[in-house]
Amino acid sequence: IAGITQAPTSQILAAGRRMTLRCTQDMRHNAMYWYRQDLGLGLRLIHYSNTAGTTGKGEVPDGYSVSRANTDDFPLTLASAVPSQTSVYFCASSSGVEGEQFFGPGTRLTVL
Amino acid sequence: GQNIDQPTEMTATEGAIVQINCTYQTSGFNGLFWYQQHAGEAPTFLSYNVLDGLEEKGRFSSFLSRSKGYSYLLLKELQMKDSASYLCAVRDSNYQLIWGAGTKLIIKP
Repeated sequence: IAGITQAPTSQILAAGRRMTLRCTQDMRHNAMYWYRQDLGLGLRLIHYSNTAGTTGKGEVPDGYSVSRANTDDFPLTLASAVPSQTSVYFCASSSGVEGEQFFGPGTRLTVL
Repeated sequence: GQNIDQPTEMTATEGAIVQINCTYQTSGFNGLFWYQQHAGEAPTFLSYNVLDGLEEKGRFSSFLSRSKGYSYLLLKELQMKDSASYLCAVRDSNYQLIWGAGTKLIIKP
């Protein structure tokens, strides 16, 4: 592993289904983030974690949950997917809250 | 509210110079970032400004005026590979990044 990986690369999901997007980093970064990117809009923060064991809500947290059991992993769960959650999801990490953020390759999610 | 404004799209010629502007209104300021994003790919870090003035890094330079809530990214000697979206982001008082919608830069030969 080099940097940040995300899985799956893309997914088509039926509305109402539960889905977990995976994110793993090997840079030993303390802070991790989940964003969604929609056409014509800037990246919007869903949830973040400044250090293992802590999480916080971003700008658009409704319908999403996260956990941070260890430094490397930061999964994002959609409990019951809705079509408005169709988006490209990026995971990012930084060495601290003041550092530049490094992004994973993204997951393209379509909810039908 | 918090707001980052940048032009939606710009066109420039290979070998030329282009300036992409970004204005911001945020709750607090702890630095401004520029990222490059090629179509279908992840954003990658280009530059960071926290003090007023110009930061130069090869063909790319970034300028900041905190009193005016204004930044620009200057790209010199444009190459076809510079065709991408350029994202401006401000770190606010909570140390979260607020992102602009991005400027799509089209380079013509």
